[in-house]
Amino acid sequence: AQRVTQPEKLLSVFKGAPVELKCNYSYSGSPELFWYVQYSRQRLQLLLRHISRESIKGFTADLNKGETSFHLKKPFAQEEDSAMYYCALSPSAGGTSYGKLTFGQGTILTVHP
Amino acid sequence: DAGVIQSPRHEVTEMGQEVTLRCKPISGHNSLFWYRQTMMRGLELLIYFNNNVPIDDSGMPEDRFSAKMPNASFSTLKIQPSEPRDSAVYFCASSFGTGRLSQPQHFGDGTRLSIL
Repeated sequence: AQRVTQPEKLLSVFKGAPVELKCNYSYSGSPELFWYVQYSRQRLQLLLRHISRESIKGFTADLNKGETSFHLKKPFAQEEDSAMYYCALSPSAGGTSYGKLTFGQGTILTVHP
Repeated sequence: DAGVIQSPRHEVTEMGQEVTLRCKPISGHNSLFWYRQTMMRGLELLIYFNNNVPIDDSGMPEDRFSAKMPNASFSTLKIQPSEPRDSAVYFCASSFGTGRLSQPQHFGDGTRLSIL
């Protein structure tokens, strides 16, 4: 069974400071990892996925298979980054998951001015 | 595409009443997911469908909850009878899942349900 752990329920930083939202996973195969963001009272939106290896809104995330982690990082946080962030895992190709995602509990990021 | 459309956006009703939440997935998507979001439990997967067939309903909390997908463009989540502890935001999401490559899920705006 797969599992996603986000150890921090709440994370506060000041504007301009670096931020790292932690995500660890357990899965026996090679998973696909995603980060979703939910701004206040809005829908969840895909922020980035590991296979894209891109930077969105200044955020990056690297899949570390040795540490089974997919931490989300941004060097200089902005107030508009304040939101709930969810890490999610999908089983690797060849399975019959039909796109099912396993989500972590989420981390509420607050960026103070 | 307008994205995943959910209705109603807000629902306030008294306990014991039947509640029906609706979802229209993105055209062409063949997987549909129902989630419940609360502060205490975070985001929980309730049930999901592929090609209109329920694949996994192990997340449905009780028999009071039921979901249907009569066709590729419509799904309902029903709670009967409703209880105050059912109060939450219910999200619907859709994706194109082939079993070979996972595609991102696209979420609706959610239904904020309050049971008094």
